[in-house]
Amino acid sequence: GQNIDQPTEMTATEGAIVQINCTYQTSGFNGLFWYQQHAGEAPTFLSYNVLDGLEEKGRFSSFLSRSKGYSYLLLKELQMKDSASYLCAVRGAAGNKLTFGGGTRVLVKP
Amino acid sequence: DTAVSQTPKYLVTQMGNDKSIKCEQNLGHDTMYWYKQDSKKFLKIMFSYNNKELIINETVPNRFSPKSPDKAHLNLHINSLELGDSAVYFCASSQRTGGGNQPQHFGDGTRLSIL
Repeated sequence: GQNIDQPTEMTATEGAIVQINCTYQTSGFNGLFWYQQHAGEAPTFLSYNVLDGLEEKGRFSSFLSRSKGYSYLLLKELQMKDSASYLCAVRGAAGNKLTFGGGTRVLVKP
Repeated sequence: DTAVSQTPKYLVTQMGNDKSIKCEQNLGHDTMYWYKQDSKKFLKIMFSYNNKELIINETVPNRFSPKSPDKAHLNLHINSLELGDSAVYFCASSQRTGGGNQPQHFGDGTRLSIL
């Protein structure tokens, strides 16, 4: 089976950095995705990791350690519009089935 | 242009009714999905179709029946609606079934409320 854990909620200040951790235990692994979901909207794709290491995309970076079953999403220079839920999702070994964590709600304060 | 569109956006109906949600994607993707997001915000896969063929069928009551008339459409029909069916249902699509950086693209969701 699949088990994915991430914190429920985090609060940070505008301009700061926030790191959202995700740990997973899965029967197979074929990549990890991060999605952003604003309240009442669709999840939108942020990043993808399949090999160990850091992937950087502008203000957002994502890190993966397969041996530790661990990933994090780093949000830098936080803006008010970054207030949203961030979903960690693991793709299993077969097919394109994604298993999502419960999401981390990030609240950015002025 | 909307990439993944689903209708209706809101659906309020009574227990016991039968309803359908439609989904269409214009991305040329081969694979489409239905997810359910409950009040605790967990997003769970229900079904997946690849080029009109069912490839993922999670433990979902058989009151839920997906139908894919072609690879650009995946509809969801729900019979005998129950209170526990209240949730947001998301349709998604992706380029192919496995491997590579192939993110799933989501529709805006259908908010189903059962009275």
